Amino acid sequence: AQSVTQLDSHVSVSEGTPVLLRCNYSSSYSPSLFWYVQHPNKGLQLLLKYTSAATLVKGINGFEAEFKKSETSFHLTKPSAHMSDAAEYFCVVSPKAAGNKLTFGGGTRVLVKP
Amino acid sequence: EPEVTQTPSHQVTQMGQEVILRCVPISNHLYFYWYRQILGQKVEFLVSFYNNEISEKSEIFDDQFSVERPDGSNFTLKIRSTKLEDSAMYFCASRTGGGVDTQYFGPGTRLTVL
Repeated sequence: AQSVTQLDSHVSVSEGTPVLLRCNYSSSYSPSLFWYVQHPNKGLQLLLKYTSAATLVKGINGFEAEFKKSETSFHLTKPSAHMSDAAEYFCVVSPKAAGNKLTFGGGTRVLVKP
Repeated sequence: EPEVTQTPSHQVTQMGQEVILRCVPISNHLYFYWYRQILGQKVEFLVSFYNNEISEKSEIFDDQFSVERPDGSNFTLKIRSTKLEDSAMYFCASRTGGGVDTQYFGPGTRLTVL
């Protein structure tokens, strides 16, 4: 079984300040972990993924995430928020097995203030 | 860049009616998925499909639901007799296979059952 908890349902930041979105997971398997972003009226876009290579993963648009097995965490960060980062972000876990059913966290809605 | 497309973007139907949601996965992808998100809730896995058969389905995916790949490009989700609680955003996703587990999502179809 697997589950994902996103610790903040809403995060508000000022443009140019750091963004931190927190995610904890549990999985019976050695998981793959993903962050997806959803802009209004758009589909789910892959930001980055962890698949057991480097623990610090770099994604698109300046985002990165660090896999910490001891803390079962996969927090997403960006050093400087941009207005275009306003969106909903989903932390997702998948077993490295056939089928690859994704399990989603509840999402974090990011508001960026000018 | 290839992308998953879904039609319609919004479907309104009366309770008890049949609906078909359509998806065109990325052309060289082999694994196909449906997920749904009820307003205010998490994105939930419904079904995965490979080699013209269902490979996994959730408890939600009961006899009222069916999936089909009627030709080489489309992937459809049918709900035979819609209920009010089927109102949700439905996302289609696809992936290549061969150990690559990243799923690419369409923009979703918002289904409203009245």
